[in-house]
Amino acid sequence: AQSVTQPDIHITVSEGASLELRCNYSYGATPYLFWYVQSPGQGLQLLLKYFSGDTLVQGIKGFEAEFKRSQSSFNLRKPSVHWSDAAEYFCAVGVRGSQGNLIFGKGTKLSVKP
Amino acid sequence: DAGVTQSPTHLIKTRGQHVTLRCSPISGHKSVSWYQQVLGQGPQFIFQYYEKEERGRGNFPDRFSARQFPNYSSELNVNALLLGDSALYLCASSLGGLLSYEQYFGPGTRLTVT
Repeated sequence: AQSVTQPDIHITVSEGASLELRCNYSYGATPYLFWYVQSPGQGLQLLLKYFSGDTLVQGIKGFEAEFKRSQSSFNLRKPSVHWSDAAEYFCAVGVRGSQGNLIFGKGTKLSVKP
Repeated sequence: DAGVTQSPTHLIKTRGQHVTLRCSPISGHKSVSWYQQVLGQGPQFIFQYYEKEERGRGNFPDRFSARQFPNYSSELNVNALLLGDSALYLCASSLGGLLSYEQYFGPGTRLTVT
């Protein structure tokens, strides 16, 4: 069965420091991959997506992610974190053949120290 | 353009009651998906509708049902509410087809069952 693992429940980084959030997936074919961000009490905002092609994808708010098939990973990165990036981040995989079915990880909560 | 809208924002119901949640997709989007997000977890897929037909269903009991209207808005109905149904219910819209995976979420409806 398809699954998404986000190994880090909570990460704290200093403002201005770099960030990497980990995501591993279990899926039998080339996946469709997504990162979403959720601020407290809010819905989810799409940060970036990967369908095919270039394995390094750029998203909004200065985020990028790299698809590594050999490691079944799709880690999210940002070179310099801002205090406004504090939120919960979710990695998701799209189930081929089941349109509209995204499988989400449990999320990583990001805290930013001044 | 307006994003995905959901109503109501918050709802408190008693066990055994019925609830109806509503969603209006982004203009031009023909597909709507529903997710349940329990506190501390990632969203779980409930249903996807495209062109007024159910195209996908997650692992939820028959107490959960949904429909999509000619204007592409959607309702999620839950009968015989249980305490465990307390969650944030998220609606997401997409263009449909392959782009069903690229989903844009509303702010959610917070359901509390007492």
